[in-house]
Amino acid sequence: EAGVAQSPRYKIIEKRQSVAFWCNPISGHATLYWYQQILGQGPKLLIQFQNNGVVDDSQLPKDRFSAERLKGVDSTLKIQPAKLEDSAVYLCASSHGLAGQETQYFGPGTRLLVL
Amino acid sequence: AQSVTQLDSHVSVSEGTPVLLRCNYSSSYSPSLFWYVQHPNKGLQLLLKYTSAATLVKGINGFEAEFKKSETSFHLTKPSAHMSDAAEYFCVVSGDTGNQFYFGTGTSLTVIP
Repeated sequence: EAGVAQSPRYKIIEKRQSVAFWCNPISGHATLYWYQQILGQGPKLLIQFQNNGVVDDSQLPKDRFSAERLKGVDSTLKIQPAKLEDSAVYLCASSHGLAGQETQYFGPGTRLLVL
Repeated sequence: AQSVTQLDSHVSVSEGTPVLLRCNYSSSYSPSLFWYVQHPNKGLQLLLKYTSAATLVKGINGFEAEFKKSETSFHLTKPSAHMSDAAEYFCVVSGDTGNQFYFGTGTSLTVIP
């Protein structure tokens, strides 16, 4: 079974530029998550999709971050414009369902450095 | 609201000695609890999870954790550490509907040969 795929793996941009990350979840997984992991901290949930609908985006900085999952499969996360404090690893995860006991499967992450 | 506290940011053990990584949680509901491991430059991997069945949960690579409701704890243990166990470990709590999934700040485990 193929895992969660993310690209790119690394990205370096200057502040005020825009950047986009892509995620392809495990086939058949209805729920998709984006996390931000700042160095030395645990991952923080940014947004959660169930199929192509948003379940929770309460911690997404909506003035600069956006995410979509138009066909209920792969997803993109965009930052526009980027700030220095956005430097982090962005993790995508997927799970079969929405219930609290569902296991989340994580991709390798995209490491973003904002200069 | 849910939250987790990992009581140690760093733990060092000698190879072959027991491992104890401590986690306390706070939850308004009957929680699901997880331990994930993150090796350098690798993705997060599930070690084990508690979902209101048996309170002693066995996971991969010889790890286990015990859910203690009275102590609101979910500590991770392993009888004998191996060099390959060196990694970052995260305790995670989830609410009933899965849209409240909170990670602790992580415990870095060092295994000394």
